[in-house]
Amino acid sequence: DAGVIQSPRHEVTEMGQEVTLRCKPISGHNSLFWYRQTMMRGLELLIYFNNNVPIDDSGMPEDRFSAKMPNASFSTLKIQPSEPRDSAVYFCASNSQGNQPQHFGDGTRLSIL
Amino acid sequence: AQSVTQPDIHITVSEGASLELRCNYSYGATPYLFWYVQSPGQGLQLLLKYFSGDTLVQGIKGFEAEFKRSQSSFNLRKPSVHWSDAAEYFCAVGAHSGNTPLVFGKGTRLSVIA
Repeated sequence: DAGVIQSPRHEVTEMGQEVTLRCKPISGHNSLFWYRQTMMRGLELLIYFNNNVPIDDSGMPEDRFSAKMPNASFSTLKIQPSEPRDSAVYFCASNSQGNQPQHFGDGTRLSIL
Repeated sequence: AQSVTQPDIHITVSEGASLELRCNYSYGATPYLFWYVQSPGQGLQLLLKYFSGDTLVQGIKGFEAEFKRSQSSFNLRKPSVHWSDAAEYFCAVGAHSGNTPLVFGKGTRLSVIA
């Protein structure tokens, strides 16, 4: 069975550029989560969706970050414009409902130069 | 509000020795509890979960965890550590109902020495 699929696995770009991270959740899962992981701050929840609707985006650091889930099988996290402090590993996870185990993708390692 | 504390940032054990990673949670009712493991360059993988019933739960890779309500703890144990167990370990807590997401601890990094 396919797990959560994220792309790209690695992204290196210059500051000021737009970055788009993609996620395909496990089929049948109703909730999708975007996390950011850094050495300093650990694993932070950025935003999560239930049934394609954003429920809580209080973890999104600032207006440069936006996330969409146009359908049940696809979500994007966009950073525009990107800054060096956005460098981190970004994870997507999904589950069938909020209190069930989350299944994580392998992450996107983002480096902003 | 839910919260999870993993008091140990980094632990080093010898291969073959026993292991216990600590996890304390704060939650107003009986929680759902989880342990995840993250190997370098990988996402988080579920090791085990506690929902209800037997307070000692078995997971993959020979790990177990014990839920102690009186201590608000869910410590992870393994009787004999293998070098391949070196990784980051995360404890998480979830609500019994609703669609609120899990709350994760900050993780404990395990190093294994020969």
